[in-house]
Amino acid sequence: QKEVEQNSGPLSVPEGAIASLNCTYSDRGSQSFFWYRQYSGKSPELIMFIYSNGDKEDGRFTAQLNKASQYVSLLIRDSQPSDSATYLCAVNIAAGNKLTFGGGTRVLVKP
Amino acid sequence: ETGVTQSPTHLIKTRGQQVTLRCSSQSGHNTVSWYQQALGQGPQFIFQYYREEENGRGNFPPRFSGLQFPNYSSELNVNALELDDSALYLCASSLVFGNEQFFGPGTRLTVL
Repeated sequence: QKEVEQNSGPLSVPEGAIASLNCTYSDRGSQSFFWYRQYSGKSPELIMFIYSNGDKEDGRFTAQLNKASQYVSLLIRDSQPSDSATYLCAVNIAAGNKLTFGGGTRVLVKP
Repeated sequence: ETGVTQSPTHLIKTRGQQVTLRCSSQSGHNTVSWYQQALGQGPQFIFQYYREEENGRGNFPPRFSGLQFPNYSSELNVNALELDDSALYLCASSLVFGNEQFFGPGTRLTVL
C-alpha cells in the first residue's frame, strides 16, 4: 500500500462546476496536510494546508480533513480553465520532517 | 514567485559523471529540502538540511549528498550518474522543518 494515494485522473470538469479531489494516507501519525498545484513543466505551488479535522476555506478552495478516516480532500469551486493542472497531496508525519507526496490528480477544466 | 531560486535550469550529463545543483532559500527560511520528481510521478524526498546539518534522509543511495551553507543556501551532489537519475530536482525551503514548504523552479537533469 502506498503511503499517500490519489486517483491519477484525468478529472474532467465543466467550467464553473466544482472539482472534488481525494487523497488517502496510511500513517495515523500524520500531522500536516498540504495541497500543491503543478502546471505542466513547472514546480509545485502550495495552495492549501490543513492541520486540524474539519474544513478550511481559502477563496475558491476548500480543504477537508478527516483523520479518523485518514482522508483529505480538496474542493475547487467555480472551476476555471486556468485550474487545469496536476494537484498533489502531501503529508508530513509526526516522526519525520519529509513531505510524502501522492502521485497527483490531473484536472482538466473544459470551457 | 516563492523567492526560492535554483541553478542551473537544465543540465545534460552522461552516465558516470557527477553533478552539483544549487538552491537559495527564501529570505528568512533556515530549512532546505530536496526532492526528485520523475516524469508523471509525485516528488520523492531525498534529504533535508536544517542549520547546516542533515535532518532526515529518504530512500536514496549515498551517491546523493548535500550541503547547507551558513546563509542557508544548499547544494545537491550526485555522483556516478545513472540513466534513472534523469528527473526534475526540486528544492523547497521552509521556516522550520515540518512547516509549509515552498518550492523553487527546479533543475531538469537529463542523463544520457
